[in-house]
Amino acid sequence: EAGVAQSPRYKIIEKRQSVAFWCNPISGHATLYWYQQILGQGPKLLIQFQNNGVVDDSQLPKDRFSAERLKGVDSTLKIQPAKLEDSAVYLCASSRIWGQDNTEAFFGQGTRLTVV
Amino acid sequence: DAKTTQPTSMDCAEGRAANLPCNHSTISGNEYVYWYRQIHSQGPQYIIHGLKNNETNEMASLIITEDRKSSTLILPHATLRDTAVYYCIVRGYGNKLVFGAGTILRVKS
Repeated sequence: EAGVAQSPRYKIIEKRQSVAFWCNPISGHATLYWYQQILGQGPKLLIQFQNNGVVDDSQLPKDRFSAERLKGVDSTLKIQPAKLEDSAVYLCASSRIWGQDNTEAFFGQGTRLTVV
Repeated sequence: DAKTTQPTSMDCAEGRAANLPCNHSTISGNEYVYWYRQIHSQGPQYIIHGLKNNETNEMASLIITEDRKSSTLILPHATLRDTAVYYCIVRGYGNKLVFGAGTILRVKS
């Protein structure tokens, strides 16, 4: 089966600009996650969707970050305006159904964002 | 917040077993132990998970102590391609996947 697809793979922007990342989860996966991974640290969950509804966005900086998952399939994560500290790899993951025992998450390769 | 404690780094000789420990002394009865790994420049990859019984799959074995306060991930014959960051995660039913800093495993020839 095809994996989680993310684009772009790399992005360089200037601070105060806006940027958007796209994620296409594995077909049939109801749960979608966005993580931020700063160099040298483990991934940090930003937002979790169950179909097109938000399950957890407690660590999403809502003043500048937004995410949507229209129709419960693809998702976009946007940053506006970007700050230097937003430089990180943004990872998208999906899993079959949230809450079940065998719900391992499958990750995409990520988008590496550099803010200059 | 991560509920696990792992060593910062470990070395292993190629062809030998790699034993990665994890402490999760505050684990609850309905929480699973998950292991993921992240090879450089890739997204995390699921390895294995378990509740209380030992588990084995094609990638690794997971040994959970009887009191469930610690576990060990075993890669039976480590190769250079197993060099990665290994994350031990405690996850309850329906709860989010929270990553800590993990263990950097370096497999050396």
